[in-house]
Formats: sequence, C-alpha cells, structure tokens
Amino acid sequence: ETGVTQTPRHLVMGMTNKKSLKCEQHLGHNAMYWYKQSAKKPLELMFVYSLEERVENNSVPSRFSPECPNSSHLFLHLHTLQPEDSALYLCASSQGDSNYGYTFGSGTRLTVV
Amino acid sequence: AQSVTQLDSQVPVFEEAPVELRCNYSSSVSVYLFWYVQYPNQGLQLLLKYLSGSTLVKGINGFEAEFNKSQTSFHLRKPSVHISDTAEYFCAVDLGFQKLVFGTGTRLLVSP
Repeated sequence: ETGVTQTPRHLVMGMTNKKSLKCEQHLGHNAMYWYKQSAKKPLELMFVYSLEERVENNSVPSRFSPECPNSSHLFLHLHTLQPEDSALYLCASSQGDSNYGYTFGSGTRLTVV
Repeated sequence: AQSVTQLDSQVPVFEEAPVELRCNYSSSVSVYLFWYVQYPNQGLQLLLKYLSGSTLVKGINGFEAEFNKSQTSFHLRKPSVHISDTAEYFCAVDLGFQKLVFGTGTRLLVSP
C-alpha cells in the first residue's frame, strides 16, 4: 500500500451510465491529481487540485467531472463516456511542490462498452 | 516548453546483465527530473529523483541515474538486473506549479 487508495480497481460501464472513481490519501498531502494512462501514450494530466481548489484542467471533456471535498478525497465523476475513454485512471498526491515526488494509487482500469 | 523523450519503447535484457534506459529532456530552465517504475496492475512508484547537487543519483532497488546538463539527459542504469525488474519505467520532468510531464515509458523485459 502506498497510502493512496483508489476504488474500484476495475470498472466496466456502458456509454449511458454514470459512475464515480474514488481516491483517498492518508499521507497529509495538500495536492491531488488525476492522470489518464492509455496504451502507447504518455500519461495525461487531467486535473490538479491544490488545497482543495482546482488549479489545472487540461482541456478535459466535460463528461469527466472532478470533485475534491477535502484534502484527503478526490472523485472523478463519469457520464456518457465513449469507448476511447477506456484506460487506466491514476490518482496521485503530493506535498507542496512536485519536486518531492508524487505518490500514486494503483489505478482504476475503466472499460467503456 | 519542457518535454521528455524516451526513445526506447522496449528493452530486452538477460538476467544479471547491465541495463541503461535512456531519457532526454528539453528545457530552457532548471529542471527537476524523476524516474518512476510501474509493475503490472499497479500505479507508479518513485525510483529516484534529481533536484540539485551531485549529478549521480542513487535510488531504490539498485538503480541509479546520471544528470547530464550538456546532453540534456537523465539515463537510468542498473549494473545487474533481476527478473523482478521487469516493468515499465517512466522518466518525468517537473514543470513547476505542481505539474509533472512524463515520457511514453520504456518496457524492461528481463529474461533468464
């Protein structure tokens, strides 16, 4: 265990479904991130939250909606996804500047059918 | 703009042989550089990082990397690999403002 827990580990959803990914960290970090990992592509930064405020949104489609209710929890709400959204979604956290390094969760493997 | 290039998508190597995984970055400012490892069905784990000081950085699991400013490289090395080192390795550069940019990854395949 890294201290960053993601649930569920696997998720299969239809294109009309609504689901949420959850991330929880017990490291006392003040920043949390969502990354998308697709085959043969670099990790894509989706969202950054610092002190519970969104500071980065890399032109992510509106069918992905993040929520950060407190510094320990981060959600990614999903609705009307497309098959190309199938990927591994990774949550990470850090303390202060990223030069301390990120701590990643194990990811949620999402399959959209 | 800063970017990271990992030219080798896959590196096959025999057990107990040395290995080098290449990483080059482009940046016009001071950089912080990282190597992460991803084992199957897991997230990324920090192997080592360069922030400042000595250009030779030692990390976990016997890995080390050397920062070379003139060649804008940060290659990862291990003198003798094990089967358990089979994984995907990612180089990353810090953009500042809490943003890391990752390379496309290099799959290290260690065979007996």
